[in-house]
Amino acid sequence: IQLTQSPSFLSASVGDRVTITCRASQGISSYLAWYQQKPGKAPKLLIYAASALQSGVPSRFSGSGSGTEFTLTISSLQPEDFATYYCQQVNSYPLTFGGGTKVEIK
Amino acid sequence: EVQLVESGGGLVQPGGSLRLSCAASGFTFSDHYMDWVRQAPGKGLEWVGRIRNKGNSYTTEYAASVNGRFTISRDDSKNSLFLQMNSLKIEDTAVYYCARDSGAVKFDFWGQGTLVTVSS
Repeated sequence: IQLTQSPSFLSASVGDRVTITCRASQGISSYLAWYQQKPGKAPKLLIYAASALQSGVPSRFSGSGSGTEFTLTISSLQPEDFATYYCQQVNSYPLTFGGGTKVEIK
Repeated sequence: EVQLVESGGGLVQPGGSLRLSCAASGFTFSDHYMDWVRQAPGKGLEWVGRIRNKGNSYTTEYAASVNGRFTISRDDSKNSLFLQMNSLKIEDTAVYYCARDSGAVKFDFWGQGTLVTVSS
């Protein structure tokens, strides 16, 4: 299953509402997770099961969608949110990640 | 506190072998599936493979790119995960992460990664 993220690059300002889309090449129900990765660091889980917020993750992060189209929304971008974001499907093997969306400061 | 610490990375020639380890602490290791994920320099994340727990017979799954060359194993008595990499190729150069798999729906904890460089 291929995951296509858009955009691949996003320039935004602190306080902006940001939306990242992940499209699956076939239906994956709600078996989708979102991760944040900062340079030189391991990925961090944000959202699982498409919309469940991982413990300890700020509520400005939210996920939605099912089937083939999913979104990650950051309601008000904070300085610490500038990073690369990846979606991942866990519906079937091989597990796959999207190509990533880099969020940079405008 | 959950901790995952990878080790064993380094420089290896094409065709060579390397064994990575991941030491787990702070949780009941034997309960969880565990996964390996890699990231080539400047590239995105690539899932490498998974090993299930004892209750699921320690069965494994692999990405096509490593199937037949890489083997995932675990030692629950030592809270350790392993990745045996044989017939290494230049394109296997990457940071390798181990990750705790919870409920087969999320990778909720990751190690810091270990760099494997395949070069002559």
